[in-house]
This record gives sequence, structure tokens and C-alpha cells, in this order.
Amino acid sequence: DGGITQSPKYLFRKEGQNVTLSCEQNLNHDAMYWYRQDPGQGLRLIYYSQIVNDFQKGDIAEGYSVSREKKESFPLTVTSAQKNPTAFYLCASSGLAGGGETQYFGPGTRLLVL
Amino acid sequence: EDQVTQSPEALRLQEGESSSLNCSYTVSGLRGLFWYRQDPGKGPEFLFTLYSAGEEKEKERLKATLTKKESFLHITAPKPEDSATYLCAVRETSGSRLTFGEGTQLTVNP
Repeated sequence: DGGITQSPKYLFRKEGQNVTLSCEQNLNHDAMYWYRQDPGQGLRLIYYSQIVNDFQKGDIAEGYSVSREKKESFPLTVTSAQKNPTAFYLCASSGLAGGGETQYFGPGTRLLVL
Repeated sequence: EDQVTQSPEALRLQEGESSSLNCSYTVSGLRGLFWYRQDPGKGPEFLFTLYSAGEEKEKERLKATLTKKESFLHITAPKPEDSATYLCAVRETSGSRLTFGEGTQLTVNP
């Protein structure tokens, strides 16, 4: 089955702790994206990557970091600098970087602060 | 700056009562307009992509249309299983990122 997987489904963060959210895709897509969704709000772009070993900041990158060492994987680290991390995090991918390709989403990770 | 506004914020319908959701957008040049369905606690599910004014696409009880300033998602004879949040997003010609609206939460009562 081709698709996008995110893990874990729920993640709990303690004060001052860095946590990493996993995103893997087997769709052979070039581009991958991370979004944050807060209750009653639309999706806001955190980071995106159009090719391996390259990524760009989105609208709300402060307090987050990413890497793109493999085409299939785009992990997101929520650092201790992110003061309000409680949200639903969504990973997406699309076939062609810079094209009109549709973005497909994973099931999401809900991050909660203890 | 790209802007996407969806209305209404929430809509309650009786089963079988047809209606439309609106997505108004402002972009320097439209490369594509996307509709997604999102169920609570899940990732958005792709529905349609529209590329140019006048284009229409259909899937079961849903029909999406596009003009130069807005898109409509028409729901014909909805069923309770159509209850979800519907998201609209645009991509401009010069970029690879999407700008999302805040969504319309649709509830269909039996």
C-alpha cells in the first residue's frame, strides 16, 4: 500500500524537552511538507523540502527544525524554543517540486505538553 | 500575499438538503485550487483540484466549480456521512506551497 505514515499518533512533551515527529512516504514523491493545525484554524506551513538535503522555512518555522537525508523521510523536531507546541501536526507530500501537483496528507500526530 | 477565505464557518443541514460552501481567494496567479475533506482527528483527504475558471469536477454528491475569484463546493442531497470539515487551498503560479482557508465545518443531521 502506498501512502504517508506518521508516528507516533500521540506525543507528550515535558518542559524543556525536544521531541521528534516521524514522517515517511513510499509514494516516490520529491516534495514533503510539515503543517501545524490549531483548533478552528487552517493549516499553517512550518517547513517544506523540494529535494533531498534541501529545505525551506514556512510561515511559522521558529522553534522547529527538520532534516531531509532520504527521499522517503522528513522528520520534524519540536525544540524547547517552541513555547506553545500543543497542536495537531500534519505531514504531506507531492509528486513534483514546484509543480501543480496535489499534496497528500498523513494521519497526523497530536502533540500535548505535560 | 495569498489569501483564502471560506464561508460559512459552520453549516448544519438536514439529510437531503442541498447547499454550497464558498472559498474566496486572492492570488497573483492561480496554479491550482484544492478541496480537501477532514474528519476529526485525521489528516485531510484530497477531493478535487481545479486549475482554470469554468472548470468543474464531480465525485458522488460533491461538485466543485471555479471562477476567477472563488470556488464553490456544491453538496447535493447530503447524507450524515458527509459530515466533516471541508478545506480549500490555493497554490500560486510562482510557488510550490499551499495557502489554506480555515475550513467549513459541515454537519448533516439524519
